[in-house]
Amino acid sequence: DTGVSQDPRHKITKRGQNVTFRCDPISEHNRLYWYRQTLGQGPEFLTYFQNEAQLEKSRLLSDRFSAERPKGSFSTLEIQRTEQGDSAMYLCATSPVDTGELFFGEGSRLTVL
Amino acid sequence: DAKTTQPPSMDCAEGRAANLPCNHSTISGNEYVYWYRQIHSQGPQYIIHGLKNNETNEMASLIITEDRKSSTLILPHATLRDTAVYYCIVRTHNDMRFGAGTRLTVKP
Repeated sequence: DTGVSQDPRHKITKRGQNVTFRCDPISEHNRLYWYRQTLGQGPEFLTYFQNEAQLEKSRLLSDRFSAERPKGSFSTLEIQRTEQGDSAMYLCATSPVDTGELFFGEGSRLTVL
Repeated sequence: DAKTTQPPSMDCAEGRAANLPCNHSTISGNEYVYWYRQIHSQGPQYIIHGLKNNETNEMASLIITEDRKSSTLILPHATLRDTAVYYCIVRTHNDMRFGAGTRLTVKP
């Protein structure tokens, strides 16, 4: 247990539905990252926050994806109008500022039928 | 971004040292080398990082060549629990970009 919590751990949804994932970081960590991982691939960077500011977004983060971190604590990742290609593990990681030592949660697995 | 090249898979006998290579020939002078591993069904776990000196911690040792174009992660006495995918990453921005990694299988 790294101290990073993700919810839900598993989500099955039908194509076209909206889904939201939540990440609760280690409390003193300023940075929060979202990654997506499909079978057999390494994690793909989606976006990261420093406190409440979203500082970088990958091209992978289409306009159907939105991430927030209000008040610089927990974060949510919402996917609107889900597609089958969105099926993946969504990983959250946190770190103190300016360090590459990321602490990952166990992920939220999304299956879109 | 500096890219890394790792073999897709390796085997190691239990109790022996596992030496995982990584090439990063385009690395810049201020870029760090990080290693993570991911055990099946878990999130990645930080192992070690370095700039140009060799580093050691309770999990592993990191050997970086003098020209910094390659590095080796050493697990001194591999156990079955070290079976995982190992990622070598050159950190250029404020994020961590993972490649496909090396799948290490430790065999009894």
